[in-house]
Amino acid sequence: AQSVTQPDIHITVSEGASLELRCNYSYGATPYLFWYVQSPGQGLQLLLKYFSGDTLVQGIKGFEAEFKRSQSSFNLRKPSVHWSDAAEYFCAVGNNAGNMLTFGGGTRLMVKP
Amino acid sequence: DAGVIQSPRHEVTEMGQEVTLRCKPISGHNSLFWYRQTMMRGLELLIYFNNNVPIDDSGMPEDRFSAKMPNASFSTLKIQPSEPRDSAVYFCASSLRGQGGLGETQYFGPGTRLLVL
Repeated sequence: AQSVTQPDIHITVSEGASLELRCNYSYGATPYLFWYVQSPGQGLQLLLKYFSGDTLVQGIKGFEAEFKRSQSSFNLRKPSVHWSDAAEYFCAVGNNAGNMLTFGGGTRLMVKP
Repeated sequence: DAGVIQSPRHEVTEMGQEVTLRCKPISGHNSLFWYRQTMMRGLELLIYFNNNVPIDDSGMPEDRFSAKMPNASFSTLKIQPSEPRDSAVYFCASSLRGQGGLGETQYFGPGTRLLVL
């Protein structure tokens, strides 16, 4: 069975500081990996996804993520956080078609001015 | 383009009542998903349709829950009878499957916030 762990429930960073959100997955084959962002009262928006190829994936809003098979990780990064990045972030792993998603518990990001 | 549309956005009902949540997927998409989000259990996939046919309903909690997709542009999730523990945010998502196995991107609706008293 596939699973996702996001070890950090809450993270607070200062505006302008760098950000790394951790994601570890469990899946028997090559995973399909996703990061979504959810603003309060809103649905989920896709930030980026990894299916194959280059292990460093660029997404929207200046986010990137790196797939590390040896560590079963897919951490999300941003070099300089903006106040508008405050939201909840979800990592997800998909099955071999990338459609049956299992989500992690989410990481809530707060940004200090 | 319109995204995934869900209605109602908020629903408050009393225990024992029937609740129907509605979803209109993005035009042209052929896969539709219903998720439930709670503090305790996070985001859970309830059921997944492809070309209007239920493919996997293993996430449906119990017989009180049912979902239908009578056509490509409409789906419902029904709870009958509703219970307080059904209180959650229910999301619908749609995607276009069949892109050469390259994987799909699911587009989420804004959700329906359900409160069962």
